[in-house]
Amino acid sequence: DIVMTQSPDSLTVSLGERTTINCKSSQNVLYNSNNKNYLAWYQQKPGQPPRLLIYWASTRESGVPDRFSGSGSGTDFTLTISGLQAEDVAVYYCQQYYSLPWTFGQGTKVEIK
Amino acid sequence: QITLEESGPTVVKPTETLTLTCTFSGFSLSATGVGLGWIRQPPGKAPEWLALLYWDGNKRYSPSLQRRLTITKDTSRNQVVLTMTNMDPVDTATYYCAHRFNAAQYTFDVWGQGAMVTVSS
Repeated sequence: DIVMTQSPDSLTVSLGERTTINCKSSQNVLYNSNNKNYLAWYQQKPGQPPRLLIYWASTRESGVPDRFSGSGSGTDFTLTISGLQAEDVAVYYCQQYYSLPWTFGQGTKVEIK
Repeated sequence: QITLEESGPTVVKPTETLTLTCTFSGFSLSATGVGLGWIRQPPGKAPEWLALLYWDGNKRYSPSLQRRLTITKDTSRNQVVLTMTNMDPVDTATYYCAHRFNAAQYTFDVWGQGAMVTVSS
């Protein structure tokens, strides 16, 4: 199984500040034949299902604010929130869909300072 | 608009079999590239992928749970059923079904609200 490790486990950020969450996979998730990274980011608020934010490591899902961006390739990835808003308080998960079983990171909890 | 809704028991006893139903709308599970998956999330923990049913009938299961899982579909009723045998308290979790599409996001883009299942005697 591919192990996904996120850092940090939690962070407290002031409104409007830039927020960066890291995700490292134990194996490469870049498929060379199509040059796509099989990596997604989800946001989960209390009592709600995960919401897809980013897929193919950097493609924003429809309706997701452009303050959310994804980057990285191979085994190292980053989710950036360019200016934290109050509604961004949530747990964020990375997930690989390169190979079964699809696996998730342990989550990063984002709170407001 | 794609919607999914999970249904099933809220409490099961240890050793019992859990049967969950996902009723969906807004897509056809027979359309090329479409899939429906089950994912669970224990309280306070990360999601865990369980099973995936493809448009062509192929099925994939989490290797660690494969012996206990079965995923089936009822195309006429737009439903997918997940059964998990020999339930244990560690299986207490919220169980989600979710849609995926090969030609777009490839991973789970729309999720149901989830069904909380507690395993307790």
